[in-house]
Amino acid sequence: GENVEQHPSTLSVQEGDSAVIKCTYSDSASNYFPWYKQELGKGPQLIIDIRSNVGEKKDQRIAVTLNKTAKHFSLHITETQPEDSAVYFCAARAASKLTFGTGTRLQVTL
Amino acid sequence: DGGITQSPKYLFRKEGQNVTLSCEQNLNHDAMYWYRQDPGQGLRLIYYSQIVNDFQKGDIAEGYSVSREKKESFPLTVTSAQKNPTAFYLCASSIDRERGYTFGSGTRLTVV
Repeated sequence: GENVEQHPSTLSVQEGDSAVIKCTYSDSASNYFPWYKQELGKGPQLIIDIRSNVGEKKDQRIAVTLNKTAKHFSLHITETQPEDSAVYFCAARAASKLTFGTGTRLQVTL
Repeated sequence: DGGITQSPKYLFRKEGQNVTLSCEQNLNHDAMYWYRQDPGQGLRLIYYSQIVNDFQKGDIAEGYSVSREKKESFPLTVTSAQKNPTAFYLCASSIDRERGYTFGSGTRLTVV
């Protein structure tokens, strides 16, 4: 089955700096790659996604890039703010279900 | 407002007891999923259902059971056979197999 690895597990940045989270996947049939943000005690919320026929997608301060050849995709957050502090999960879809990475705890400090 | 409702938010269970977690959605989504979340292990799939009256085991189905009698509802039963049930349980739904998931707010189960 699909295996998704996510790095780093924790990330601390200063407010205004950029943050990058990276994921790799194993199944070349995976064709959909969403990113979720989870705040403490809540369920994950979809923040951006990308399909395998697209190399990059941007939505205001967040962007995702996909390299199908290398089987890796990344989340980029620019001009980070304290409210960006949360746990972020990447995921990959092969067949009919998503496989999630182990999460990255992002801390944005003042 | 459309969404997924999980109840209760917190649940305490004595060892040896079965307990059922509720998940209801009014999004008219066909597919529903149950995940377990433990610190440092991400989200692991327990069961999923793509249509009413049909469901499949995920990666960690042992000690759990589900039913899908209605499109809106996908309850999860944690049985006494589950050796380490203390965890945060998340229910999700998707309009079809090509889209992302909408998650509920979770149920934190503690075995005492």
